[in-house]
Amino acid sequence: ILNVEQSPQSLHVQEGDSTNFTCSFPSSNFYALHWYRWETAKSPEALFVMTLNGDEKKKGRISATLNTKEGYSYLYIKGSQPEDSATYLCAFPNTNAGKSTFGDGTTLTVKP
Amino acid sequence: ETGVTQTPRHLVMGMTNKKSLKCEQHLGHNAMYWYKQSAKKPLELMFVYNFKEQTENNSVPSRFSPECPNSSHLFLHLHTLQPEDSALYLCASSYGQEDQPQHFGDGTRLSIL
Repeated sequence: ILNVEQSPQSLHVQEGDSTNFTCSFPSSNFYALHWYRWETAKSPEALFVMTLNGDEKKKGRISATLNTKEGYSYLYIKGSQPEDSATYLCAFPNTNAGKSTFGDGTTLTVKP
Repeated sequence: ETGVTQTPRHLVMGMTNKKSLKCEQHLGHNAMYWYKQSAKKPLELMFVYNFKEQTENNSVPSRFSPECPNSSHLFLHLHTLQPEDSALYLCASSYGQEDQPQHFGDGTRLSIL
């Protein structure tokens, strides 16, 4: 059983605050790490696929970094907006056929 | 629109009923997945199909029976379910490679009476 952990479990911030959260995963047999955003009443949506140690990816105000040697990835949101409110999931693919182990998620609430 | 369509969106059924959930994708993906999400629990992988062959059955009770007639369609047949099976059931598809993300449907919210 692979251990994929996310912290914190939930986060409440004010609009305009910057925030970050963590995904930790096994550092051996690394293939990739995926980040998803899951808004209420919608389907999970892929944000980033991280594959290389030291990778940094950015989409608008959201960015992610990857450290495969120590087994963690950070997701950063700069200047949070209410529309950023969602559950952010990380997933660790661990076999072929793209089977992934998902973390429990970090639920972000941004108050106006 | 993610390219993965699930029907129905909501389903209420009694414990003795038989029903099926349907998932369809036209993204050209070859892998399809069923997940279950119960209240306040993480996503739980149930089944994986790759090129129509089942490659993963994550110790799912036999009252859940998957079917994958082709790479574009996936069904989950339900019979004699229990109240604890009430949950959100999500379907996803992908190219089946580790560096490719999964694309999810909107899910079926299932309630067992």
